[in-house]
Amino acid sequence: SQQGEEDPQALSIQEGENATMNCSYKTSINNLQWYRQNSGRGLVHLILIRSNEREKHSGRLRVTLDTSKKSSSLLITASRAADTASYFCATDANTNAGKSTFGDGTTLTVKP
Amino acid sequence: DGGITQSPKYLFRKEGQNVTLSCEQNLNHDAMYWYRQDPGQGLRLIYYSQIVNDFQKGDIAEGYSVSREKKESFPLTVTSAQKNPTAFYLCASSIGPGADYGYTFGSGTRLTVV
Repeated sequence: SQQGEEDPQALSIQEGENATMNCSYKTSINNLQWYRQNSGRGLVHLILIRSNEREKHSGRLRVTLDTSKKSSSLLITASRAADTASYFCATDANTNAGKSTFGDGTTLTVKP
Repeated sequence: DGGITQSPKYLFRKEGQNVTLSCEQNLNHDAMYWYRQDPGQGLRLIYYSQIVNDFQKGDIAEGYSVSREKKESFPLTVTSAQKNPTAFYLCASSIGPGADYGYTFGSGTRLTVV
C-alpha cells in the first residue's frame, strides 16, 4: 500500500511565484525525503528531514514536517522555468529499516 | 567524478527473452537498489542489497533476478517470467540504508518489449 502520497498531482505556476507541494503518509516514520525528477531522468535528492525536525531549508527550498498530521510540505520560492519537474516524497516506515516508499509525485510546470 | 552509471539507456526485448540491465557505482556505497517506474507513477522497489553477496526482494520481485558479486555492481535481469516488463528502470545506491541517508540515482534504462 502507498505510504507517501503527494498532492496536488499537477501544479502549473508562473515564473517567480511560489510552489507548494504536500505529502501525506500513513504510518510512523524515521525520516522523510524529497526528490526531483526531470523528464526521462533519474531522481535527484533534495532534502531529508528527520522525524524530530519540524523545518529545513536548502536554498530556495523549505520543507516542513508535521508528524501529528503525518504530512510534509515542500515549498519552492521564486520559482524558475528550470524548476519544471516531478517532485516525489519518500518515506520509511519504522518497520522497513533501510527501505523507502515513494509516492506518485507532483508534476510542477513553471511557465516563463 | 563519482557517480552511478546505468546502461544501456534504451533496451528492447523480444517476447520470451531475458535481458540484463547494468548498474555500476564508484561512490563506495554499501547499499544498492533497483526500482521500476511506470508512466505517471512513483517508484516501486524490485530488489535491494545492503552488502556484497547479499540481497533481498522488494515489493515486486517476481520475474526479476539480481546478483551482488562486487560492491560496485548490481545487475538486474528481467526474465521471461516478467509478463509486463515495459517500464523505466532506476538503479540507486546509498552509503548506508537509503532510507536513513538518501539515495543517489542513475539516469535510468527504458525497457520496451517489441
